[in-house]
Amino acid sequence: TQLLEQSPQFLSIQEGENLTVYCNSSSVFSSLQWYRQEPGEGPVLLVTVVTGGEVKKLKRLTFQFGDARKDSSLHITAAQPGDTGLYLCAGFKAAGNKLTFGGGTRVLVKP
Amino acid sequence: DAGVIQSPRHEVTEMGQEVTLRCKPISGHNSLFWYRQTMMRGLELLIYFNNNVPIDDSGMPEDRFSAKMPNASFSTLKIQPSEPRDSAVYFCASSQGAVLADTQYFGPGTRLTVL
Repeated sequence: TQLLEQSPQFLSIQEGENLTVYCNSSSVFSSLQWYRQEPGEGPVLLVTVVTGGEVKKLKRLTFQFGDARKDSSLHITAAQPGDTGLYLCAGFKAAGNKLTFGGGTRVLVKP
Repeated sequence: DAGVIQSPRHEVTEMGQEVTLRCKPISGHNSLFWYRQTMMRGLELLIYFNNNVPIDDSGMPEDRFSAKMPNASFSTLKIQPSEPRDSAVYFCASSQGAVLADTQYFGPGTRLTVL
């Protein structure tokens, strides 16, 4: 069982549609990161959320950290083909200095 | 500026052979990480170094795996002997700080296939 569960595992949408990806856990995290990984490349950090209830926006991407710091969501508005990729969440626990990655959500945005 | 550099990008070898993966971190970064990514297990941290010293190797699968960082600009991950189940993409990443939550910059990865 993964410490961080991401859903859905795969998402295929048309350009212009909205999508939401979820990252859930029963554990509390000190902070949570979201990465995007394109084929043949390494993950690239998009954002780090630290405070429970925090919302961060990055252009058309909106990230939210749950009030209890156990879950997070990523919402993309008006998706574009360039948003295609594997989205990974990673939870950090300061006690023990541990970073754990979720299984990822593969997003395909068709033109 | 150059990012994290990994070599080779692709490696195909036969079971039982020794495999060495190489990584050059971003200049000035103090921490270096080795990850493995598979469809089944996702992205897993194998080991990380801070100031060239191994800090946490609890993710190293077994004694067949070893990692070294002889200086601040070079690290190797060695598998000896290799097995088909070691087939995966291996990533190296580096960061400026010592905490895993600090921004990590990933290399392009080495795709390893063990036949």
